Amino acid sequence: AQSVTQLGSHVSVSEGALVLLRCNYSSSVPPYLFWYVQYPNQGLQLLLKYTSAATLVKGINGFEAEFKKSETSFHLTKPSAHMSDAAEYFCAVKDSGYALNFGKGTSLLVTP
Amino acid sequence: EAGVAQSPRYKIIEKRQSVAFWCNPISGHATLYWYQQILGQGPKLLIQFQNNGVVDDSQLPKDRFSAERLKGVDSTLKIQPAKLEDSAVYLCASSLEQVWNEKLFFGSGTQLSVL
Repeated sequence: AQSVTQLGSHVSVSEGALVLLRCNYSSSVPPYLFWYVQYPNQGLQLLLKYTSAATLVKGINGFEAEFKKSETSFHLTKPSAHMSDAAEYFCAVKDSGYALNFGKGTSLLVTP
Repeated sequence: EAGVAQSPRYKIIEKRQSVAFWCNPISGHATLYWYQQILGQGPKLLIQFQNNGVVDDSQLPKDRFSAERLKGVDSTLKIQPAKLEDSAVYLCASSLEQVWNEKLFFGSGTQLSVL
């Protein structure tokens, strides 16, 4: 089964600083990878997805992620953090039945 | 377009009681998923439907959980009897079709507290 591991359950950055959230995948086949964001008391929203068309994927709200096969990674980045980016971020991979397998999540705190 | 609708938003019950959650997916979405999200963890798939048929229920605790999707539209998830460890947010999601690059649309979830 395909799975993902998110490194760091909590990440704290200053407003304007680089955001880096780490995700490594385990898959026996070319993976289809996703990043979702969950704001308090809201459902999960898709940030971006990797579908093998390009290794650098741009998403909403200025986020992007780079697929690195050699490192089995799909880290999420944003050049400059905003206060509104504070949320829970989940990396996920499509499983054989087309459902998503999620990581445990990383809580992003943005300080003034 | 209307999103995935779930109700109730919150539910508090005592252990050994029964509870049911309802989900209405986005119109036209053939695939429906129920996920369980325990505090501090990522969502875990409980059951997946394609129209009104079950695709995957391997992680559904079938001794107490049941789900149905009559007519291939709305779905209900039931827990009977509830245990303390069932306290979680239950998320419903839907997708248009079963392909690798298709994204899932999520509802806001039902937060269950079992006392």
